[in-house]
Amino acid sequence: DGGITQSPKYLFRKEGQNVTLSCEQNLNHDAMYWYRQDPGQGLRLIYYSQIVNDFQKGDIAEGYSVSREKKESFPLTVTSAQKNPTAFYLCASSIVSDTGLSGYTFGSGTRLTVV
Amino acid sequence: AQSVAQPEDQVNVAEGNPLTVKCTYSVSGNPYLFWYVQYPNRGLQFLLKYITGDNLVKGSYGFEAEFNKSQTSFHLKKPSALVSDSALYFCAVRDPSSASKIIFGSGTRLSIRP
Repeated sequence: DGGITQSPKYLFRKEGQNVTLSCEQNLNHDAMYWYRQDPGQGLRLIYYSQIVNDFQKGDIAEGYSVSREKKESFPLTVTSAQKNPTAFYLCASSIVSDTGLSGYTFGSGTRLTVV
Repeated sequence: AQSVAQPEDQVNVAEGNPLTVKCTYSVSGNPYLFWYVQYPNRGLQFLLKYITGDNLVKGSYGFEAEFNKSQTSFHLKKPSALVSDSALYFCAVRDPSSASKIIFGSGTRLSIRP
């Protein structure tokens, strides 16, 4: 089955640690995205990538880093510079098309908690 | 700036009654509009989209949405609500400056009481 997989489902981070969230897709989608969702709030774009080896900052990129070495993979690192990282993180993918969109396919999310 | 607004944080409906979740947008050019649903601790699921054509778009789980260009709205509707429809709903619009980026609204929590 084609889809997008995020791991782990739950992640705990100590103060000052970097952690990496995994996102893998086998949909052959060119574009991938990372969003942050806080309780009772909408989605905020962290980073996105429309092609391998290229990515752009979203609205809240500070304290985060990404890489796109393979089309299938778009890992997100939450660095120690991110002062309030506790949130639900969602990864998504899509085709890239000037004539329209098929919409995003989302992973099931990773809940990150600082302990 | 491109944007999408969901004016209601929460909508409460009795089971069996019709439901409407409101969405308005502001974009340059022709809008590409979407609705997504999110169940607790899960990712978002695609419900339906409007690209062009008929103003009434039918989607998954019996939902439909009506595109109204003069009112710049794209309200989500269902004729008869189910308790299982209770979830968080997001309206979204394509960012015309990008071939792939979508801008999401703040979400509306739909609660269906038995």
